[in-house]
Amino acid sequence: EPEVTQTPSHQVTQMGQEVILRCVPISNHLYFYWYRQILGQKVEFLVSFYNNEISEKSEIFDDQFSVERPDGSNFTLKIRSTKLEDSAMYFCASSRGGGGNIQYFGAGTRLSVL
Amino acid sequence: GESVGLHLPTLSVQEGDNSIINCAYSNSASDYFIWYKQESGKGPQFIIDIRSNMDKRQGQRVTVLLNKTVKHLSLQIAATQPGDSAVYFCAETGITSGTYKYIFGTGTRLKVLA
Repeated sequence: EPEVTQTPSHQVTQMGQEVILRCVPISNHLYFYWYRQILGQKVEFLVSFYNNEISEKSEIFDDQFSVERPDGSNFTLKIRSTKLEDSAMYFCASSRGGGGNIQYFGAGTRLSVL
Repeated sequence: GESVGLHLPTLSVQEGDNSIINCAYSNSASDYFIWYKQESGKGPQFIIDIRSNMDKRQGQRVTVLLNKTVKHLSLQIAATQPGDSAVYFCAETGITSGTYKYIFGTGTRLKVLA
């Protein structure tokens, strides 16, 4: 069964450093998403991406965040200068279509900012 | 504000019994609802979805009920098994409002007792 894969599973970084979280969405999906989950809290939407551009983003997704689809298979989330409060589990998701289509999630990348 | 919330943070059931997990939503514009299961160390796994033009949908051992009058969603799991132990999230989105983001609830932990 096709699945969303994310790497690395755990990323440790120093405050102020840049990190790139990587995702390989399901191959025939066209919509891509990033969510995050701070420990013990809700899963929160960050951004959606379609046709090589951001279609929607949340207030969390400020100028420190960026997304990119550098090739036909990868989808990345970059945090330019990490803060302690960026420590969370980051989930990538993809869906075949937009609204009303099931979003399938990866296993997540745990980001620890020290 | 608009939010999705869960009534019970933890639900313990005997193996073989039926489980009912509840969810309240406050955004009357939401028209698509999804239940996810999250096991420890894994990403959210799709269970079942329902659109607002339905009030009931059945899957394998699971049923989702939607009551739009009181903005309530429930997930029923028949003959609960140890493998059903996980955190269950409901999520909402608004297809007709053009958003792709899912708004997740807090989550309910289901514990299956042998």
